[in-house]
Amino acid sequence: DGGITQSPKYLFRKEGQNVTLSCEQNLNHDAMYWYRQDPGQGLRLIYYSQIVNDFQKGDIAEGYSVSREKKESFPLTVTSAQKNPTAFYLCASSIWGQSRNQPQHFGDGTRLSIL
Amino acid sequence: EDKVVQSPLSLVVHEGDTVTLNCSYEVTNFRSLLWYKQEKKAPTFLFMLTSSGIEKKSGRLSSILDKKELFSILNITATQTGDSAVYLCAVSGGATNKLIFGTGTLLAVQP
Repeated sequence: DGGITQSPKYLFRKEGQNVTLSCEQNLNHDAMYWYRQDPGQGLRLIYYSQIVNDFQKGDIAEGYSVSREKKESFPLTVTSAQKNPTAFYLCASSIWGQSRNQPQHFGDGTRLSIL
Repeated sequence: EDKVVQSPLSLVVHEGDTVTLNCSYEVTNFRSLLWYKQEKKAPTFLFMLTSSGIEKKSGRLSSILDKKELFSILNITATQTGDSAVYLCAVSGGATNKLIFGTGTLLAVQP
């Protein structure tokens, strides 16, 4: 079945440690996105990528990094510079085309906590 | 600054009731408005609206957009306990497909 797979489901980070969240899609979507969700707040965009080897900062990119070496994969690294990383992280993908409106579809998320 | 505001923040109803969820927005170069349902994990896509006055319908759920007044409503008729979830409204604008999300409406349907 086509879909978006995020792993792991739960992740614990020690102080000063970088961690990487995986996101893989087999929908042949061009665009991929990373969001952060905190209690009582809407989803906030961290990074997005419209094509391979290119990505753009979202609204809250500080303390995060991404890569897009393959169309199917868009991993997110939460660095030690991110001082408040505890949150629910959601990856999404969509067909990309400036003249087309296409909905984003989401993975099941990764819940990151600080030890 | 672009923003999306949802109301109410939370709602408790009984099975069989009809509910209306609201979403207002101020977004530059509006492209589309989307509704998602989020239970425990991934938001699942419900509707995408691009034109005013055209109702989208799926079973007991329906939604409509008013681009003049900058709002949308999501209606759920004959609610069931399985409708309990957070309903998210998001708007895309500008040259990219970036979504701006509201904080969501938490709906609890009691038996």
